[in-house]
Amino acid sequence: GENVEQHPSTLSVQEGDSAVIKCTYSDSASNYFPWYKQELGKGPQLIIDIRSNVGEKKDQRIAVTLNKTAKHFSLHITETQPEDSAVYFCAARPLYNQGGKLIFGQGTELSVKP
Amino acid sequence: EAQVTQNPRYLITVTGKKLTVTCSQNMNHEYMSWYRQDPGLGLRQIYYSMNVEVTDKGDVPEGYKVSRKEKRNFPLILESPSPNQTSLYFCASSFGVSTEAFFGQGTRLTVV
Repeated sequence: GENVEQHPSTLSVQEGDSAVIKCTYSDSASNYFPWYKQELGKGPQLIIDIRSNVGEKKDQRIAVTLNKTAKHFSLHITETQPEDSAVYFCAARPLYNQGGKLIFGQGTELSVKP
Repeated sequence: EAQVTQNPRYLITVTGKKLTVTCSQNMNHEYMSWYRQDPGLGLRQIYYSMNVEVTDKGDVPEGYKVSRKEKRNFPLILESPSPNQTSLYFCASSFGVSTEAFFGQGTRLTVV
């Protein structure tokens, strides 16, 4: 079945360093790849997304890259700040999805140390 | 403010006692879903709805029911909760199948 693998499960960086989280998806027909940030006690919030017709997208300190051939996509956060500390989830939406279903990765707990 | 609202935020109940978790969105979205979040597993879809009176099973529907009598509301019903349904639940909505999904704040359910 459809599957998304996310690595690493935990990531600790110093403030100002970069952080990279990687995901691999199984369904080659997937066409939408969002990244969510989940802070303690809150629901997931979309931080950036990319569609299958684009290879890279950037929004200030956050960027996402997509390699359709390898079925990989990655989140890059530059100049990390303590407020970036949270759990990050990648997701993929199959082309023929059930009511907009997203297949989520297992999550990465990012800790940014001051 | 555009939002998805879930209630309650926290719930502790006993095995077999029926409960309902409510979800409401104010964005006139057609698509709504319920997910459960478990450690190491990410979020998994329980049920979804594509419009009023149109619902279908997701990946982990066993032990759950839903209804969609109004466009804005999508309650999750546990007729006879069991301890393996202890989890963090999220309701989500989107305008279309390929648009951004908005999530509620979550409901942490404990079944003892």
